[in-house]
Amino acid sequence: AQKVTQAQTEISVVEKEDVTLDCVYETRDTTYYLFWYKQPPSGELVFLIRRNSFDEQNEISGRYSWNFQKSTSSFNFTITASQVVDSAVYFCALSEARATNKLIFGTGTLLAVQP
Amino acid sequence: KAGVTQTPRYLIKTRGQQVTLSCSPISGHRSVSWYQQTPGQGLQFLFEYFSETQRNKGNFPGRFSGRQFSNSRSEMNVSTLELGDSALYLCASSLVGSKTRTDTQYFGPGTRLTVL
Repeated sequence: AQKVTQAQTEISVVEKEDVTLDCVYETRDTTYYLFWYKQPPSGELVFLIRRNSFDEQNEISGRYSWNFQKSTSSFNFTITASQVVDSAVYFCALSEARATNKLIFGTGTLLAVQP
Repeated sequence: KAGVTQTPRYLIKTRGQQVTLSCSPISGHRSVSWYQQTPGQGLQFLFEYFSETQRNKGNFPGRFSGRQFSNSRSEMNVSTLELGDSALYLCASSLVGSKTRTDTQYFGPGTRLTVL
């Protein structure tokens, strides 16, 4: 069965610290997609990144970077030099290609960045 | 390009009533999915519509239903409301998706439903 685990429920850091959010997934499919979304207090889920199972290249976008490792079924997210505006709940999600657009979400990690 | 819009943003109902929520996808997007978010169960997939047909369904009772119109707009309906239906209902749209590809889903601001 498909499953996404975000073991960190809450993380608190001080501004400018680096922080890594962990995501571990389970799937039996060979073709799948992984996502990260950010949910600020307003409630709307904001898309951050999409990765397919055949592309293990790490990605960097500004202060954000993602480390995808199939060997450990992990898709971790690092924020470098965190800012107060990064405070939000972050969700990791999995979609199996055969189930098209059905996303399986982790329980989320609440990140609090203190000034 | 306008994002996904959902109406209404807030709704208060009483047990036993029914409710209809509306979602307008991003222009050009043909797939619409619905999710329920609660503190206890987290984010759970309700169903997905594509070309006016339900393509995927989550594990929810038959009281939860939806439909999609020819312009890709979608509605979801919950009948005989229960206290446990209080949640944030999120709609997401994507281009198409297929059995070999999952397109990125973009979410609306949600409808917060409170059942008293």
